[in-house]
Amino acid sequence: AAGVIQSPRHLIKEKRETATLKCYPIPRHDTVYWYQQGPGQDPQFLISFYEKMQSDKGSIPDRFSAQQFSDYHSELNMSSLELGDSALYFCASSRDPGNTIYFGEGSWLTVV
Amino acid sequence: GQQLNQSPQSMFIQEGEDVSMNCTSSSIFNTWLWYKQDPGEGPVLLIALYKAGELTSNGRLTAQFGITRKDSFLNISASIPSDVGIYFCAGQLEGRSSGGGADGLTFGKGTHLIIQP
Repeated sequence: AAGVIQSPRHLIKEKRETATLKCYPIPRHDTVYWYQQGPGQDPQFLISFYEKMQSDKGSIPDRFSAQQFSDYHSELNMSSLELGDSALYFCASSRDPGNTIYFGEGSWLTVV
Repeated sequence: GQQLNQSPQSMFIQEGEDVSMNCTSSSIFNTWLWYKQDPGEGPVLLIALYKAGELTSNGRLTAQFGITRKDSFLNISASIPSDVGIYFCAGQLEGRSSGGGADGLTFGKGTHLIIQP
């Protein structure tokens, strides 16, 4: 069965640079969530979208922005990167809010 | 914000033993989920609970949604080597049962399961 697809899987950026992560939800899923997981930490919720509209907002820094497009894929844009942004970024999707949430494999971001 | 207290933090068990872990919260959640995560991989959903008091099994796994909606437990019976990993509980405020929005999940800190040969 198709899963949540994230790209790139690995990304290395320098401080103050910009990075964009992409997420392709499971087919027919209209809800997308973004999470950040630091080393040895639990995933922290950043932001979610339902039907292309922002639905909930967590601990997403002002330097980050995200959107969901007409084909339901989502992109997380991170600017002015800091060393502390190095983490595993997960996208998750569900079919309608509140239905079972499935996670992607994650995108490793390393800021040097 | 909401916080989930997950325990134990780690477990060292022998293969074949049963495992039990739980999560408690000071807040009510409408959905409880249990995930397993291997290093460098995404969390994989094990069991989803949508109704207070619900008891659900998935093979050797059994989970229950506490009647107060503030707690949940996960049991693994007859552990095998591939059960090794980090288990996370997660709560969602607005879930299917309440027909709410796409609220983010609040995760527990995880239980590291280590199986000794």
